[in-house]
This record gives sequence, C-alpha cells and structure tokens, in this order.
Amino acid sequence: SYDVTQSPSLSVSPGQTASITCSGDKLGHKYACWYQQKPGQSPTLVIYQDTKRPSGIPERFTGSKSGNTATLTISGTQAIDEADYYCQTWDSITTSVVFGGGTKLTVL
Amino acid sequence: QVQLMESGGGVVRPGGSLRLSCAASGFTFTDYGMHWVRQAPGKGLEWVAFIQYDGNTEYYADSVKGRFTISRDNSKNTLHLHMQSLRPEDTALYYCAKDAMIVLPVYIDVWGKGTTVTVSS
Repeated sequence: SYDVTQSPSLSVSPGQTASITCSGDKLGHKYACWYQQKPGQSPTLVIYQDTKRPSGIPERFTGSKSGNTATLTISGTQAIDEADYYCQTWDSITTSVVFGGGTKLTVL
Repeated sequence: QVQLMESGGGVVRPGGSLRLSCAASGFTFTDYGMHWVRQAPGKGLEWVAFIQYDGNTEYYADSVKGRFTISRDNSKNTLHLHMQSLRPEDTALYYCAKDAMIVLPVYIDVWGKGTTVTVSS
C-alpha cells in the first residue's frame, strides 16, 4: 500500500509561521492537496495541486513541494487556524486515494 | 449552491448490511467523479471509494474491497454506498464528497456533512 506521513501535532504562537509537512515515496511525482478540519465540521480544501489556493482561502495559506515532501505553510497564524490538517494524494499504482494521518495545529 | 446530503446511516449488527445515499444539488452531477470518505470517532480521514463520472470505473480502499460497492444514479443525481459484512471497525462518520475532476480522483472540493454508521452487537 502507499502511505504519506505527517507529524501528529504542531504548536505555534499567534502571528508565527506554521509549517506542516507531508512525506511519501515518489510524492514529488504526484499532486498533493491539503484540507483543514475544525472540530465538529466537515473538511475544507485549502490547497490543491501542490500550490493552488481555492477562492475564499486566505493568502496566508500557501503550499509548496520539495523532493518527496509537500508543505503547507500558514503565515501569521491566527487563533481561527487552529484545526486538524490533512494532506492527500492519488497513487496510480495502487489506484488509491491516500490521506495523511493528520496534523493537529494548536495556536497558543 | 453546491450541496451534498447524506442519508441512510444507523446502527447495525456485525455481519449486517446498510446502504448509504447522497443527494447532490447545485452542480452538474454527471461532470464529476464522486467519493465516500469516512472518519472513525477521534481518528483521521480514511478514503473508502471513488466512482468515475459515468459509473464505469470504481476504486476501493483495501479495507473495504469485496464488501462495499459504490454506485451512482445520474438520472437522480444520487450517489450510493452499499455496505455488506460490516465489522465494528467500519464504525465511522461517512462523508459523501465531490472530486474536482471527471475521470481520475485528484482532489475533493465539496464535502457533505456526513452520516453516522455504528456497527455493534
């Protein structure tokens, strides 16, 4: 099976930059996207195709990729950004959609 | 307004069956692939299945392959998930979700609110 790995948790202070990573074999050759999920809510797409931001998502959310690691960066993190963040990709070999285990972002 | 509304969840005994439905509105249903994604209590997101825009191709997670069947009725803008041989580990909130593309899954741009399935004796 194909897997992608995220760190389970990250804590930042308000105004700081949060960087959440997602790593996987040959992820550099696949598209990654990111979802935000707040408690009791459905997930929301915040980055797609590695770097693109859907309309309505604040500019402080950016996506990037280097080698086999995709990164979601939140600049000037706000209290409202406290949530779980999941990366996701599609593996054409196993024909599986794969989610990372999620990163719980705490804004202290 | 794009909307996905799931129904059909409930409590079922191990080994039992259940059929989930998802009513889609606000977009051209036949132009997009569709997913089911689940989330066990306190756990992360787990992809379950995907179906192509015309229903001709389906993909499944290994954990449900052979037990679950995804289908769609394009005449009624409805997505289904037929679940058989249910296990306690299938207990989760099941989300219906719209892919942004038509043939292969790429990313999900719309999610429903979910329907809860509990497998327990």
